[in-house]
Amino acid sequence: RKEVEQDPGPFNVPEGATVAFNCTYSNSASQSFFWYRQDCRKEPKLLMSVYSSGNEDGRFTAQLNRASQYISLLIRDSKLSDSATYLCVVAGGSSNTGKLIFGQGTTLQVKP
Amino acid sequence: GAGVSQTPSNKVTEKGKYVELRCDPISGHTALYWYRQSLGQGPEFLIYFQGTGAADDSGLPNDRFFAVRPEGSVSTLKIQRTERGDSAVYLCASSSGTGDYGYTFGSGTRLTVV
Repeated sequence: RKEVEQDPGPFNVPEGATVAFNCTYSNSASQSFFWYRQDCRKEPKLLMSVYSSGNEDGRFTAQLNRASQYISLLIRDSKLSDSATYLCVVAGGSSNTGKLIFGQGTTLQVKP
Repeated sequence: GAGVSQTPSNKVTEKGKYVELRCDPISGHTALYWYRQSLGQGPEFLIYFQGTGAADDSGLPNDRFFAVRPEGSVSTLKIQRTERGDSAVYLCASSSGTGDYGYTFGSGTRLTVV
């Protein structure tokens, strides 16, 4: 079983739609959680951190459920420029070396 | 430098050859990470340096892979006797230290073994 699991998609949505991605992680000792965005043939870039209390950044909302070991990302009012792969990432745990564990990524394609 | 620099950006090599991939991290960043990303997958951890020492090399797939960071800045990932399965994008990232998850990734080296 992978440490971080995501539905790879693709998710094809029209502009203006709301779309949600989920992921689950297996290491209950994980301490930090993130969503990264990766454009085609580019490097991953940090989109936002994820906190237990939930956090919002403009059209993006991230939630963490530690009890269920579940992370979500909600994108409202999708734009064409949101088309990318979204990587669910966890870090920490017993070793806490700063190592990030990435999910497979979920591909989003926003259509006009 | 302003960002993480990786060279070469592309490398094509024949099966069985030796390759070196270079990473120049952000100036002052003590933590350096190597990841490997295959098509359709997320980045997979290879090795982590804190300063000059490899603090965690648990992700190196086998003894054909080795990495160094002799002066605590530039790092080189070395792959001996390359195999076709080594073809991937090799990503380097740096951060200001352990516990700082504000990684900056380089644009990667796309390695193709033919």
